[in-house]
Amino acid sequence: SQQGEEDPQALSIQEGENATMNCSYKTSINNLQWYRQNSGRGLVHLILIRSNEREKHSGRLRVTLDTSKKSSSLLITASRAADTASYFCATDARTSGTYKYIFGTGTRLKVLA
Amino acid sequence: NAGVTQTPKFQVLKTGQSMTLQCAQDMNHEYMSWYRQDPGMGLRLIHYSVGAGITDQGEVPNGYNVSRSTTEDFPLRLLSAAPSQTSVYFCASRGARAGYGYTFGSGTRLTIV
Repeated sequence: SQQGEEDPQALSIQEGENATMNCSYKTSINNLQWYRQNSGRGLVHLILIRSNEREKHSGRLRVTLDTSKKSSSLLITASRAADTASYFCATDARTSGTYKYIFGTGTRLKVLA
Repeated sequence: NAGVTQTPKFQVLKTGQSMTLQCAQDMNHEYMSWYRQDPGMGLRLIHYSVGAGITDQGEVPNGYNVSRSTTEDFPLRLLSAAPSQTSVYFCASRGARAGYGYTFGSGTRLTIV
């Protein structure tokens, strides 16, 4: 089963609104990352938050992490049509002494102009 | 340009055929991974490597082999193609130091008929 689950599966908002998507995971982690994928393309790394951090900002992105609830949220402020994409969280799940990155199922964001 | 290069971009195979998907990176990254992406399933980890000569299985390794003879290359071999392996395949790499995200290739769209 997958480590991360994003919620909602799909989100449609108007340009200028904020978009919030959530990620829940199952095991302890060292860090959690968020990626964006435009249709038909590879994933692009957006932001990483370490397990000892609670909040991180990067431009219009804000990420929070609650390790007690095993959850994270990604907030995109003042959304633009160009933010239309799928967003994935990824966690480093430790197995047999090594860390491997497991991705969630993604949130499809559509920003309407 | 530095990055992860995947070849081919598109491929159609007949059931039972074998083939190798190529992945090369020129960033001297230690970690490399192969993922497959199916509709509604997000990305699932097939195999990964933490350095030359070291590989390990991910979530869905059956039907696939990998090898890592050099830091730069991480080919994925389909042993006997099955329709269930129809998917988009992504290769990704990152440095070993904590705090860095994966750099993804542009993907290989593989269809098994």
